[in-house]
Amino acid sequence: DAGVTQSPTHLIKTRGQQVTLRCSPKSGHDTVSWYQQALGQGPQFIFQYYEEEERQRGNFPDRFSGHQFPNYSSELNVNALLLGDSALYLCASSPNVGTGELFFGEGSRLTVL
Amino acid sequence: GIQVEQSPPDLILQEGANSTLRCNFSDSVNNLQWFHQNPWGQLINLFYIPSGTKQNGRLSATTVATERYSLLYISSSQTTDSGVYFCANDMRFGAGTRLTVKP
Repeated sequence: DAGVTQSPTHLIKTRGQQVTLRCSPKSGHDTVSWYQQALGQGPQFIFQYYEEEERQRGNFPDRFSGHQFPNYSSELNVNALLLGDSALYLCASSPNVGTGELFFGEGSRLTVL
Repeated sequence: GIQVEQSPPDLILQEGANSTLRCNFSDSVNNLQWFHQNPWGQLINLFYIPSGTKQNGRLSATTVATERYSLLYISSSQTTDSGVYFCANDMRFGAGTRLTVKP
């Protein structure tokens, strides 16, 4: 049973560029959530997708956008990258929107230079 | 917004000691989870515990939903228990407790 998978694991971008991160949920899960974790802090909720729609959103600017595909996989897009966007981006899947146990992938570590 | 507060922020123990980590919530407890973050950043599920008590080996957890707190107990700590422990409720995480277990 495959767990949550994320790609890429590491990437380096420069200020102003755009980045796309990808996530495949755990088998049987239909809800995907994205988190940003800066060094030394707890994960911060970005948004959650269910049935290909954004269902909940945390306190992040519109530069952060996402998408969920019919196979439940998801993408996180960040435009106009800032130095402060450097962080570990974590994807979690769960079996039900708004409820249920979260299962996390290994994360994508983004460095913005 | 929903507040999740963890204490203590840092904890240093000698191998073999016991510890208790606490998580307080400002809102109702619905989807309480405890995680251990390994050195590579992955969040490892420890407990999904919206209420009651669960045990898994040397670890146990108790959530008292009516009083809006949860406790994680680690008994006979080992050096491999070192790392950051997070609690989360309804998509919101606390700031974590950094545990260091010395040999």
